[in-house]
Amino acid sequence: KAGVTQTPRYLIKTRGQQVTLSCSPISGHRSVSWYQQTPGQGLQFLFEYFSETQRNKGNFPGRFSGRQFSNSRSEMNVSTLELGDSALYLCASSRGGNAETQYFGPGTRLLVL
Amino acid sequence: EDQVTQSPEALRLQEGESSSLNCSYTVSGLRGLFWYRQDPGKGPEFLFTLYSAGEEKEKERLKATLTKKESFLHITAPKPEDSATYLCAIRPLFGGATNKLIFGTGTLLAVQP
Repeated sequence: KAGVTQTPRYLIKTRGQQVTLSCSPISGHRSVSWYQQTPGQGLQFLFEYFSETQRNKGNFPGRFSGRQFSNSRSEMNVSTLELGDSALYLCASSRGGNAETQYFGPGTRLLVL
Repeated sequence: EDQVTQSPEALRLQEGESSSLNCSYTVSGLRGLFWYRQDPGKGPEFLFTLYSAGEEKEKERLKATLTKKESFLHITAPKPEDSATYLCAIRPLFGGATNKLIFGTGTLLAVQP
């Protein structure tokens, strides 16, 4: 079974630009969660989508948004990029039940200059 | 506030020298505790899920245990390929239908030949 895939793997942007990251979950998984990983803060929850609906949201500014499509693929968007947005963005998928194991993708490394 | 603390931050072992990593947590109710392994530049790789105090799970040289306040990841006779960052995460009992995980900052393990 194919794992979680994320595209692109690497991105370099400048301050003020916007970026869209994509995540394809494991086949049959309906829940997709996004996390931001930085050396200082570790892994922090951004948001979760289940059946095209946002089910939960972390403490991030409104510049961070996401959506999920009917095939469970998900995108996240960051507008007006700041230097502090440089991080590894990880997507994880699960079937969707409570405390289901989440499987992570390889991440998208974003560098904001 | 729900939180996870991992110790030590870093651990250096000789090949074959067994040890344990600690994950202590504070949560009003625990639905599940998860262990992941993360190699540099990659996404976290799932290891174990534990649901109730007293539960134990094993995989090769790794064994995870759970009490009401902490979890241990025991590494028996480690090999250099066990070198990685080990992450612990909790799924709180309360918070609605969500798979949001709260992560610790990880233990960086280095196993020297």
